[in-house]
Amino acid sequence: GESVGLHLPTLSVQEGDNSIINCAYSNSASDYFIWYKQESGKGPQFIIDIRSNMDKRQGQRVTVLLNKTVKHLSLQIAATQPGDSAVYFCAENLGDSWGKLQFGAGTQVVVTP
Amino acid sequence: DAGVIQSPRHEVTEMGQEVTLRCKPISGHNSLFWYRQTMMRGLELLIYFNNNVPIDDSGMPEDRFSAKMPNASFSTLKIQPSEPRDSAVYFCASSRPSGKGETQYFGPGTRLLVL
Repeated sequence: GESVGLHLPTLSVQEGDNSIINCAYSNSASDYFIWYKQESGKGPQFIIDIRSNMDKRQGQRVTVLLNKTVKHLSLQIAATQPGDSAVYFCAENLGDSWGKLQFGAGTQVVVTP
Repeated sequence: DAGVIQSPRHEVTEMGQEVTLRCKPISGHNSLFWYRQTMMRGLELLIYFNNNVPIDDSGMPEDRFSAKMPNASFSTLKIQPSEPRDSAVYFCASSRPSGKGETQYFGPGTRLLVL
């Protein structure tokens, strides 16, 4: 069946560098996408979202890019900090009207000094 | 804002016992979601409610699992009887009434271990 998947299970980044986390989705009906951050022992925390009528959206130190042609989503973190170490999930709304989300497998980001 | 509140935070029980997980959504949020997280399967949506009414329970693994939302400020997820394979972290999340496009806010989770 259709699902959300991540290319890289673990990403090691040096402090101060930029991070790029990728996500592929296959459900063409998905029209809303979200990135969540999950620190150890905590619940997922909303980072940024984007609707399918947009290609790019920026937040504080984060940017989400959406390429609907190839069904690809990415999260860019500028000037990565130790506090950015966490698992990052992309999620897609499967086109229903109630906010049902399907989450990807997650990418572990490790920030090294 | 207190955020989504879940209890207990940790639960250890023996196979065959009944387990009840509790969730209090953020005040004013009318959509509530129950998820299960395991290393093997990641984050899975079990069931979600809108205005206290179950909308989609297709993610509930089997009849041993049941969920209720008797009012806008409380929901339970019950497993009876529990099995070792139910061991996981269970998250509750809530969002504002419009549902789609609204941010889901997650609670801290309940870590369940079934021996």
